[in-house]
Amino acid sequence: NAGVMQNPRHLVRRRGQEARLRCSPMKGHSHVYWYRQLPEEGLKFMVYLQKENIIDESGMPKERFSAEFPKEGPSILRIQQVVRGDSAAYFCASSLAGSNPYEQYFGPGTRLTVT
Amino acid sequence: EDKVVQSPLSLVVHEGDTVTLNCSYEVTNFRSLLWYKQEKKAPTFLFMLTSSGIEKKSGRLSSILDKKELFSILNITATQTGDSAIYLCAPGSSNTGKLIFGQGTTLQVKP
Repeated sequence: NAGVMQNPRHLVRRRGQEARLRCSPMKGHSHVYWYRQLPEEGLKFMVYLQKENIIDESGMPKERFSAEFPKEGPSILRIQQVVRGDSAAYFCASSLAGSNPYEQYFGPGTRLTVT
Repeated sequence: EDKVVQSPLSLVVHEGDTVTLNCSYEVTNFRSLLWYKQEKKAPTFLFMLTSSGIEKKSGRLSSILDKKELFSILNITATQTGDSAIYLCAPGSSNTGKLIFGQGTTLQVKP
């Protein structure tokens, strides 16, 4: 499967626990974007990363949320001390370096439920 | 503040009908506008539009951008039940690949 991979597809966490969401970009892509889709709302940009660099984190909440894209391995979106309001679908997208960064291909998403 | 408005919010048609979906936008440092189709999973890439007035086509779907009037339309001809989905418009803002999504148009195509 050469598409964007995300895991897990569904994640249930209790309030106060940590959630780790993983994203492997399409083969050959080195730019990763995370978006969040709250219930009944549109997709909202969170962060844009290249390998080992955060390029734009203007959409990330100031506290509890962090993202990384290491030299090896998938990109990780980490949410510490989750609260019910974090329940949402989290989508990862990737694009090809050197091309139009807006041409983004999305993964299937991780649906986070906080109980 | 960046703004994207899609209309109509929802639409019900019958197979064979033609539909036009609208997207108006106000974003800073506009570069490109994308259309996606979202069923119960990942948004699927349809079109990326960068130049004004040039229609892009893919089968029964076509789209065009007007950068002067700040809008785009997505046309679907001879609709099929498989076209039922949420259609998302997303202009790009800034130079960092940030997409600003509209709330989407929910299309239902009845047999």
